[in-house]
Amino acid sequence: ETGVTQTPRHLVMGMTNKKSLKCEQHLGHNAMYWYKQSAKKPLELMFVYNFKEQTENNSVPSRFSPECPNSSHLFLHLHTLQPEDSALYLCASSTAGTSEYGYTFGSGTRLTVV
Amino acid sequence: TQLLEQSPQFLSIQEGENLTVYCNSSSVFSSLQWYRQEPGEGPVLLVTVVTGGEVKKLKRLTFQFGDARKDSSLHITAAQPGDTGLYLCAGVNNAGKSTFGDGTTLTVKP
Repeated sequence: ETGVTQTPRHLVMGMTNKKSLKCEQHLGHNAMYWYKQSAKKPLELMFVYNFKEQTENNSVPSRFSPECPNSSHLFLHLHTLQPEDSALYLCASSTAGTSEYGYTFGSGTRLTVV
Repeated sequence: TQLLEQSPQFLSIQEGENLTVYCNSSSVFSSLQWYRQEPGEGPVLLVTVVTGGEVKKLKRLTFQFGDARKDSSLHITAAQPGDTGLYLCAGVNNAGKSTFGDGTTLTVKP
């Protein structure tokens, strides 16, 4: 399978739940990203991984915990979220270290926190 | 913080009409990308422009990068319902980091 695949596509969770989002790419890219997309706001970069190492954390609350076991897989572990965390969470990949040649995005996980 | 402003925020037109959307910043970018995002999907890269004044064409879509590399425009000729979506621009700085605009939502009515 080519491209960037995200699962699940939709997730509803309570504020006390723990869940994980998964992202997988088979493009040979070495950089992976988590973005948050909320209504009427620009895409917000959350985390960046280059060659499995986290290189950027944009002041994201600790209730979001990323994990990158290898260059092809990226997870976002969620716990004790708030309703305002409801959004579309997008995973993306690119050639290592730069978005100069553009991102390849997954279809996203639509998260609703109740 | 580099900011990108896109205009208009919303655009609703009839099939066959032409349109232009804009992406403006006070910052200089090393390159600029345009993406289209359809409902329920992630953004898809349409084009990257690198040189000031550069014009790129993708079928009915024409992209231009400003001479000073601070702004860009996307022109669509004879819009079709399939062009409906959210159009996002993203400026890339010298460090290879991207800043996204807040998007233009285009609706093309049949």
